[in-house]
Amino acid sequence: KAGVTQTPRYLIKTRGQQVTLSCSPISGHRSVSWYQQTPGQGLQFLFEYFSETQRNKGNFPGRFSGRQFSNSRSEMNVSTLELGDSALYLCASSLSGRRYEQYFGPGTRLTVT
Amino acid sequence: GESVGLHLPTLSVQEGDNSIINCAYSNSASDYFIWYKQESGKGPQFIIDIRSNMDKRQGQRVTVLLNKTVKHLSLQIAATQPGDSAVYFCAEFQGAQKLVFGQGTRLTINP
Repeated sequence: KAGVTQTPRYLIKTRGQQVTLSCSPISGHRSVSWYQQTPGQGLQFLFEYFSETQRNKGNFPGRFSGRQFSNSRSEMNVSTLELGDSALYLCASSLSGRRYEQYFGPGTRLTVT
Repeated sequence: GESVGLHLPTLSVQEGDNSIINCAYSNSASDYFIWYKQESGKGPQFIIDIRSNMDKRQGQRVTVLLNKTVKHLSLQIAATQPGDSAVYFCAEFQGAQKLVFGQGTRLTINP
């Protein structure tokens, strides 16, 4: 079974721009969560989607948003990029009954200049 | 507040020895505790989980111990191999909603 895939793997943007990242979960997994990983803050939860609905949200500003499609694929968007948004963005998928058992993709490395 | 911390940021062990990675947590209401392994350039890899009503669980070469009295979690890796070199994170599944991760411990294997 194929793992979680994320595109693109690397991205360079300038301040003020917006960016959209994509995630395809493991087949059969309907829950998709997003995390931000930085050296200073570690891994931080952004939000979770299930059945095209945001189920949970972390403590991030409204510039961070996401959505999920009917095939469980998910996207996250960051608007008005700031230098501090430079990070590894990770997507994880899980079965709806085992949401603690999350499987991560390789991440998208976003650099904001 | 919510926090999952680690006692040691780095750990070096000899190849073939057993490794023990420790973690302290603060939320006693968490349902599950999970260990992840992250190799350079990759996303975290699920290793093993333990439910809050258990105190020990074994997997292939790994054992997780949970001590709820002192809010302590540990991961034991038997016969450590070069491929075990990575950063290890503990995480707790809080409020049946989200994973909260610790800061990570870098495990280095000496030949």
